[in-house]
Parts: sequence; structure tokens; C-alpha cells
Amino acid sequence: AQTVTQSQPEMSVQEAETVTLSCTYDTSESDYYLFWYKQPPSRQMILVIRQEAYKQQNATENRFSVNFQKAAKSFSLKISDSQLGDAAMYFCAYRNRDDKIIFGKGTRLHILP
Amino acid sequence: NAGVMQNPRHLVRRRGQEARLRCSPMKGHSHVYWYRQLPEEGLKFMVYLQKENIIDESGMPKERFSAEFPKEGPSILRIQQVVRGDSAAYFCASSHDLKETQYFGPGTRLLVL
Repeated sequence: AQTVTQSQPEMSVQEAETVTLSCTYDTSESDYYLFWYKQPPSRQMILVIRQEAYKQQNATENRFSVNFQKAAKSFSLKISDSQLGDAAMYFCAYRNRDDKIIFGKGTRLHILP
Repeated sequence: NAGVMQNPRHLVRRRGQEARLRCSPMKGHSHVYWYRQLPEEGLKFMVYLQKENIIDESGMPKERFSAEFPKEGPSILRIQQVVRGDSAAYFCASSHDLKETQYFGPGTRLLVL
């Protein structure tokens, strides 16, 4: 069975600085998708970024980028120029071949003004 | 194009009552997924449905829980004889097709007194 591990329950970063959230996963599949979702206080789940396992190039969405290391099964999220609106829970997630999404326990990100 | 809609947003039930949670997928989406989020946890997969069919219900408790996605109308997650442990946020997601991105609704927060 696949698992997703986020080893940082909470993190803080100064506004305008860069922060990296860690995620590792375990799977025997070769073809899968990885995601980072953001859950602000409203509790809405917002897709931040998505990575196909077969693509070597790291995905980027504006200030958000990932460092995807397939051999190490690592998928970290880098947020550049942090803004107050980035404060939220961030969930790393894996979608398996059965189309189920498996979520990590989340990292709560605080932005310090 | 409206996003995934869920209602009610908040639902309070007493032990032993029934809870009915509704999910209207995005326009054109025929795949619906239900997830449950316990406090301070990530989302956990419950059930995956396509129009009129349950594809995978491996994450759903065998008793008291049922789901449907009729030809017309929203998908319904039904919890009979609710217990305090059912208190959670229930999220619905939809996708256009297999392997396509799942878009999440705002969730229904169920509180069992």
C-alpha cells in the first residue's frame, strides 16, 4: 500500500522569504501523480501544484515549485516570496493507479509579518 | 463554470439520526470521489462513483454508510444512525475522466452531538 509522509507538523517563515515543505512517499508503482494541496482556514482544498511521475522536469506554478526526486521518492514544495495569504495547512498527496488520492497528515505553515 | 458544490456546509445531528450529504460535481464531470477528514488529519478516501455505479468503496465503512450517484441529480453520501465518531469534514471531489485532476468541493462539516 502507498503511504505519504510529511515529517514537519508545523513550520514558520518570514514574509517575503522562501520556505520548503518536505514530503516523502512509498510506492511500488512506476506511473503516478503527486500533488500539493493547500487548506486555508476556510477548509477549502485548493490544488497548488501537480507533478506527473514520468516527467523529469519539476513542476512550477508562479511562486510555487517542487523538487521531485523519483529515485528517493521525495516531493518537496518550495514557496518563494512568502505572502500572508500563504498561511494554511499544506497536504502532500499521491494518486495511485486506482485513481485514489492518498494524503499526508499535513504541515501547518505560519507566515510571520 | 461553477466548481464542485456541496451542501449543507454544516450539519448537526444527534446520535442515532441520519445524515445526508450532497455533492454536485463540476459541469461535465462524471466521476465523483468522497473523502473524510478527521480533526488534525489528512483526507482519507471513502468511495469512488461514476454515474449510477460504485467503482470502489474500499474506504467506506461496511455498516451505516452508503453512497449513490444517480443518473440525474447530485451524489449522496448517507450515514445512518450516526455516532460521535462520525463527526468530521466530508469532502467530495470530481473529475472529467480517469487520471484527470480531481477538484474538491468546500466540504460538509458534520457534528454529531
